[in-house]
Amino acid sequence: GAVVSQHPSRVICKSGTSVKIECRSLDFQATTMFWYRQFPKQSLMLMATSNEGSKATYEQGVEKDKFLINHASLTLSTLTVTSAHPEDSSFYICSARPSAQGGNSPLHFGNGTRLTVT
Amino acid sequence: GENVEQHPSTLSVQEGDSAVIKCTYSDSASNYFPWYKQELGKRPQLIIDIRSNVGEKKDQRIAVTLNKTAKHFSLHITETQPEDSAVYFCAASRGSQGNLIFGKGTKLSVKP
Repeated sequence: GAVVSQHPSRVICKSGTSVKIECRSLDFQATTMFWYRQFPKQSLMLMATSNEGSKATYEQGVEKDKFLINHASLTLSTLTVTSAHPEDSSFYICSARPSAQGGNSPLHFGNGTRLTVT
Repeated sequence: GENVEQHPSTLSVQEGDSAVIKCTYSDSASNYFPWYKQELGKRPQLIIDIRSNVGEKKDQRIAVTLNKTAKHFSLHITETQPEDSAVYFCAASRGSQGNLIFGKGTKLSVKP
């Protein structure tokens, strides 16, 4: 149980274009989902908290107009990297836990999306 | 906000030896501390976790200890095997939504 699916797994795009990444909870509902970014050989940096039916909460230093988050249903959150540039190239990973479980329970991660901007 | 420090950044042990990774956190309100294992290019996988009302938890070769007063927690792996080689991350849960803040990771290498 508690499977998180993320698509696409890899994407290459040209500078200036936008890329959408989907995160789905397959067998549970998630009021809240989390988006992380990971540079090579570095840690997972929390970018934003996605809230179903309301605005996302962004971490300090993360541009909300650059990284658009939509959480339209209890099983789907999307991250859109707008006007992508080479410095946006990274590994983006979403995570979620069942709504019925509290904040002190495991987070389940998607497989991640490797974004390369040329 | 929460800050998690993790040491060491790299750890090399011989097969069969024990490995210990230590983390400290800054927010005394944090109440959940998971450990994740990440292999190259893959998603982090939860290996063990501990809540603030418990001092120690063990699962076969893996154990975690928590000292709330000192705000530090540790991962212990005994009888290490080559397949334990990976990057290990500690994390602390922040706020009611349970945002996980991660340490910088420890690259563990187990030599046969």
